[in-house]
Amino acid sequence: GAVVSQHPSWVICKSGTSVKIECRSLDFQATTMFWYRQFPKQSLMLMATSNEGSKATYEQGVEKDKFLINHASLTLSTLTVTSAHPEDSSFYICSARDPTAGGYNEQFFGPGTRLTVL
Amino acid sequence: DAKTTQPPSMDCAEGRAANLPCNHSTISGNEYVYWYRQIHSQGPQYIIHGLKNNETNEMASLIITEDRKSSTLILPHATLRDTAVYYCIASPFGNEKLTFGTGTRLTIIP
Repeated sequence: GAVVSQHPSWVICKSGTSVKIECRSLDFQATTMFWYRQFPKQSLMLMATSNEGSKATYEQGVEKDKFLINHASLTLSTLTVTSAHPEDSSFYICSARDPTAGGYNEQFFGPGTRLTVL
Repeated sequence: DAKTTQPPSMDCAEGRAANLPCNHSTISGNEYVYWYRQIHSQGPQYIIHGLKNNETNEMASLIITEDRKSSTLILPHATLRDTAVYYCIASPFGNEKLTFGTGTRLTIIP
């Protein structure tokens, strides 16, 4: 199957700083990627849909000015957590739809990035 | 997307078949049933999906009842590496989003 990578796999930062997380589709082109957040012992929550060449679509309750998403190419989407605070500490996961799946919702997920804000 | 209900946890002996149930009593005609799993501290992995016919692939089998109100994911010979949280999701054809519920935490016991 197709591979989605994320970088970094973990990051620790100080409160008030910004952190960028990269999501890459390694062997396929992804016009749409998705960003999820997962708190400990909870399920994945969709944050936003990242569209190549256009603005991201954010889910209700997700602050677009705090979680900046850029999808500048067909293989790269970035999530920047601006002015991070301890409550932003979480596991961030990206995904991309299988381009060969047609209308079926098979997605490939990255390995996740664990963010800890001190 | 139709709501799905899964037991919070299950155990299964290594080498036995793991049968994971999912209720989706309000599923609509154009919604497929998808199964994903998430091994601890990793991203989810797609397993299988189906509409109304039983499906099988190299990972698992999916049995959907005739009325489509419930389904069962079957891992035929569970191994320790199958220990994970399994998510059952109902999603319409053409829908891009996945809405994850709480899933079933499957523990394979040696």
